[in-house]
Amino acid sequence: GAVVSQHPSRVICKSGTSVKIECRSLDFQATTMFWYRQFPKQSLMLMATSNEGSKATYEQGVEKDKFLINHASLTLSTLTVTSAHPEDSSFYICSAKIAGGRQETQYFGPGTRLLVL
Amino acid sequence: AQTVTQSQPEMSVQEAETVTLSCTYDTSENNYYLFWYKQPPSRQMILVIRQEAYKQQNATENRFSVNFQKAAKSFSLKISDSQLGDTAMYFCAFMKHDMRFGAGTRLTVKP
Repeated sequence: GAVVSQHPSRVICKSGTSVKIECRSLDFQATTMFWYRQFPKQSLMLMATSNEGSKATYEQGVEKDKFLINHASLTLSTLTVTSAHPEDSSFYICSAKIAGGRQETQYFGPGTRLLVL
Repeated sequence: AQTVTQSQPEMSVQEAETVTLSCTYDTSENNYYLFWYKQPPSRQMILVIRQEAYKQQNATENRFSVNFQKAAKSFSLKISDSQLGDTAMYFCAFMKHDMRFGAGTRLTVKP
């Protein structure tokens, strides 16, 4: 149980285009989802916290107009990288917390590799 | 803000031996959770072990155990009987409302 999927797993796009990444909790409801970015050989950096039905909370230094987050349902959060540039190339990982769960644990998706040309 | 420090960028161990990965953190919170995650080359984050701060007993999961020192804000991971499949990046993480990660330790298990 507690499986999180991400789609696509890999995407290549041209500079200036927008890319949408989906994060789904497959067998549980998640009131809160998180988006991380991981550059090569670095750690996971929290970008934003996504709460179902409300606006996302962004970490300092993360541009909310560039990284649009929508958490429209208890099983789906999306991250849209708008007007992508080569410096946005990275590995994006989402995670989800079980709604009403007694154990505080986050379940991670497999990640999405974004390459902006 | 909470910070997590892993002071060992790289570690290596011989197969079947024991290795300890270090982690310290800084927080003013009293109740929180600590984790060790493994990230193999596939980059999928795999939960290794989890510790609730209110529990004094150290968590164990088969070959993996932690030494949790709350007063010292230390949370080290011990891997016993190391296996080749343990080769990966290991991240220590702190969670109160969200999860923060250390810089990671690259562990190599040598045959």
